[in-house]
Amino acid sequence: AQSVTQPDIHITVSEGASLELRCNYSYGATPYLFWYVQSPGQGLQLLLKYFSGDTLVQGIKGFEAEFKRSQSSFNLRKPSVHWSDAAEYFCAVGPPSGGSYIPTFGRGTSLIVHP
Amino acid sequence: DTEVTQTPKHLVMGMTNKKSLKCEQHMGHRAMYWYKQKAKKPPELMFVYSYEKLSINESVPSRFSPECPNSSLLNLHLHALQPEDSALYLCASSHFRRGSSTDTQYFGPGTRLTVL
Repeated sequence: AQSVTQPDIHITVSEGASLELRCNYSYGATPYLFWYVQSPGQGLQLLLKYFSGDTLVQGIKGFEAEFKRSQSSFNLRKPSVHWSDAAEYFCAVGPPSGGSYIPTFGRGTSLIVHP
Repeated sequence: DTEVTQTPKHLVMGMTNKKSLKCEQHMGHRAMYWYKQKAKKPPELMFVYSYEKLSINESVPSRFSPECPNSSLLNLHLHALQPEDSALYLCASSHFRRGSSTDTQYFGPGTRLTVL
């Protein structure tokens, strides 16, 4: 079974600063990987996903993530954070085949942006 | 279009009421999901429908009753809920891949449920 760890419960950055949110997974092969963002009281919005191919994935809202097989990581990055990026961020992992097709979510990282 | 819609946006109900949550998608997805989410927690899977048949029930109490009347609609019928059932209820949909591989889930905005 797959599992996913988001080690940081909260991250605080200043507006305009760079951001990196960490995500580590445990799975026997290369899983499918997702990042979602959730603003307060809203649903989850897909930021980006990795299924195969180029390990640097570009998403919406200026986010990118890099899949590193050797580190079992899929960290989310943004070069310059805006106040509107303050939200909850969830990493999710799912099997590419032969197992439960339901993705497993990390516990989430809450991003706080200071002006 | 990657939109999943949910109604109502907010719902307040007493413990003796019967109410329903509705979810709709027109992306041709054949897998639809209900999740429950408490504040500052990840979504918890409740039910999964694939090709309009219930395929996963995560040991959810019978006071929650799902229904999938067609490939675009998913309902969650609520009866005799408890205050601890207050949460954000999220609907999601995805393609259903033969061979059981994950596909991208698209979420609705959720229904904020308060049980008094």
